[in-house]
Amino acid sequence: QSVLTQPPSASGTPGQRVTISCSGSSSNIGSNYVYWYQQLPGAAPKLLIYNNNQRPSGVPDRFSGSKSGTSASLAISGLRSEDEADYYCAAWDGSMSGYVFGTGTKVTVL
Amino acid sequence: EVLLVESGGGLVKPGGSLRLSCAASGFRFTTYSMNWVRQAPGKGLEWVSSISSSSDYIYYADSVKGRFTISRDSAKNSLFLQMNSLRAEDTAVYYCARSSAGELPSVVDYWGQGTLVTVSS
Repeated sequence: QSVLTQPPSASGTPGQRVTISCSGSSSNIGSNYVYWYQQLPGAAPKLLIYNNNQRPSGVPDRFSGSKSGTSASLAISGLRSEDEADYYCAAWDGSMSGYVFGTGTKVTVL
Repeated sequence: EVLLVESGGGLVKPGGSLRLSCAASGFRFTTYSMNWVRQAPGKGLEWVSSISSSSDYIYYADSVKGRFTISRDSAKNSLFLQMNSLRAEDTAVYYCARSSAGELPSVVDYWGQGTLVTVSS
């Protein structure tokens, strides 16, 4: 059962900027780091953003993350066809003593 | 290179048991927390359980508490998930995933390819 809320879908044409929101509460996003994962079709999730806005080595700077209060967002600029995937936000929830994931957003490149 | 390889998935009847294993390599296993995350067919990601590097701290999702047990064996560089009293709603791909530090919480940074568990009569 997902605790973090994301829009089910987002889309854009190549080169456009797409933003995905993630809404939580004071026990998760409001008091802990936010992470973002990309899951390509048929593949395992891959870490895209950690600690709200940090990119692991190898992740293009087209991907950026931000957090404000109990919400976070992922932005993809210069959209490319290979960005078509499902994207999930995640955070530790202190009340549940466990990780919570977002509902997931499917990004389509038109 | 960090490598996580799950095994032990398969078809099991409701009420049955299954033990998943995850062989870790490419990093110092004893210094990282580990996790299990699952994904039901066509659905999103669901955290299942986490264990700290020393096994001192263990956490479970409410949906599996009392039925699943996470453990690790440093000598074998392996993570395990003992699943009992399985239900149809436990059907999912189970991913083994590493956290970036020994303590929890820390970002889940590497994932295995997953093993499919199907609970059906």
